[in-house]
Amino acid sequence: GQQVMQIPQYQHVQEGEDFTTYCNSSTTLSNIQWYKQRPGGHPVFLIQLVKSGEVKKQKRLTFQFGEAKKNSSLHITATQTTDVGTYFCAGETGTASKLTFGTGTRLQVTL
Amino acid sequence: ETGVTQTPRHLVMGMTNKKSLKCEQHLGHNAMYWYKQSAKKPLELMFVYSLEERVENNSVPSRFSPECPNSSHLFLHLHTLQPEDSALYLCASSQGTGVGEKLFFGSGTQLSVL
Repeated sequence: GQQVMQIPQYQHVQEGEDFTTYCNSSTTLSNIQWYKQRPGGHPVFLIQLVKSGEVKKQKRLTFQFGEAKKNSSLHITATQTTDVGTYFCAGETGTASKLTFGTGTRLQVTL
Repeated sequence: ETGVTQTPRHLVMGMTNKKSLKCEQHLGHNAMYWYKQSAKKPLELMFVYSLEERVENNSVPSRFSPECPNSSHLFLHLHTLQPEDSALYLCASSQGTGVGEKLFFGSGTQLSVL
């Protein structure tokens, strides 16, 4: 079945440093979504990418969808302590909604 | 507040108990989901309901029994669970079940099976 892997599993950065998490699917995706889960919280939708090579920005967050639509990345510029949490990608294939979530990257930011 | 409310927030149960998890969404959505989140594992889709009809059962053991009486409410009935069933159970809703639907999650029920 479809698998979605994320790397790294965990990253610890100093506040102000950049952070990137990578998402790789074993199959071509129709779209990819990103979610953030704060410690003790629940996943919250961040963004959806649909087109090959698409790049979207939300303030300090930049999301990319690969040309082959099998990988994606989330880059955070100048991290802040509010960025702490686990970031999940979730991909869809086919014509019906069935998101396959990635393994997640846990981000820790210290002063 | 996401518009999806789950109760209880925490639940401890023995392997012979029967309990139910409740989820209510106030977003006017037509689809509801149960996900299981275990430590160091991806979120696992358990069940999908669209307009109160079950459209997905992801090979979940029969000790988990979902119920969707209307499009706003979703239950997960639990009986004779195993310790490995201890996890965070998340309810989610979406407008529909087409491609590209974004999920709105509840706060989850942290379940411990002793």
